[in-house]
Amino acid sequence: GIQVEQSPPDLILQEGANSTLRCNFSDSVNNLQWFHQNPWGQLINLFYIPSGTKQNGRLSATTVATERYSLLYISSSQTTDSGVYFCARSDAGGTSYGKLTFGQGTILTVHP
Amino acid sequence: GAGVSQSPSNKVTEKGKDVELRCDPISGHTALYWYRQSLGQGLEFLIYFQGNSAPDKSGLPSDRFSAERTGGSVSTLTIQRTQQEDSAVYLCASSLGGVRFFGPGTRLTVL
Repeated sequence: GIQVEQSPPDLILQEGANSTLRCNFSDSVNNLQWFHQNPWGQLINLFYIPSGTKQNGRLSATTVATERYSLLYISSSQTTDSGVYFCARSDAGGTSYGKLTFGQGTILTVHP
Repeated sequence: GAGVSQSPSNKVTEKGKDVELRCDPISGHTALYWYRQSLGQGLEFLIYFQGNSAPDKSGLPSDRFSAERTGGSVSTLTIQRTQQEDSAVYLCASSLGGVRFFGPGTRLTVL
């Protein structure tokens, strides 16, 4: 089946540090999304980024579809950034729907 | 409401009982998804509804699991004869285009 691999599995940062999370895919990148799951379990969509680069405040993401990977950058990290970061891609090529296959996540802990 | 809502937020049941979990998607969203997340694990796809098309049930782990979506809106996930391994957080999501919006989940505990 389709493999979605995230690295690193765990990351501990001091407040203010920058970090890069990576997501590799075994197949084509369709409907790539990044999510943040906060400590209360709520999943928040961060980026819908099948290709290119997007930025939202201190967060940005880049997907290189031809090389089957995506990166999530967190700058000037804050304690509220703590949680689990998931990437996911759709099985439906060329469409917006289809089931998402999730990676196992990166657990981020930001200390004050 | 503005987001996806799920009920109940928590459900504790005894092994062998049936449970129903409800999802109210964002109004107008044509696609609805069910996932489950076991403790410390990633998200496992269960079932997906898109408009009037036949649902994609390929992720349902056994025939004890079923789901329906009435009137293209509210969805109910039913688990019959619950087992302890069914304990997990069950998450619902909806979308109109590519972006999925998740609900807060139902935490199911089977004793």
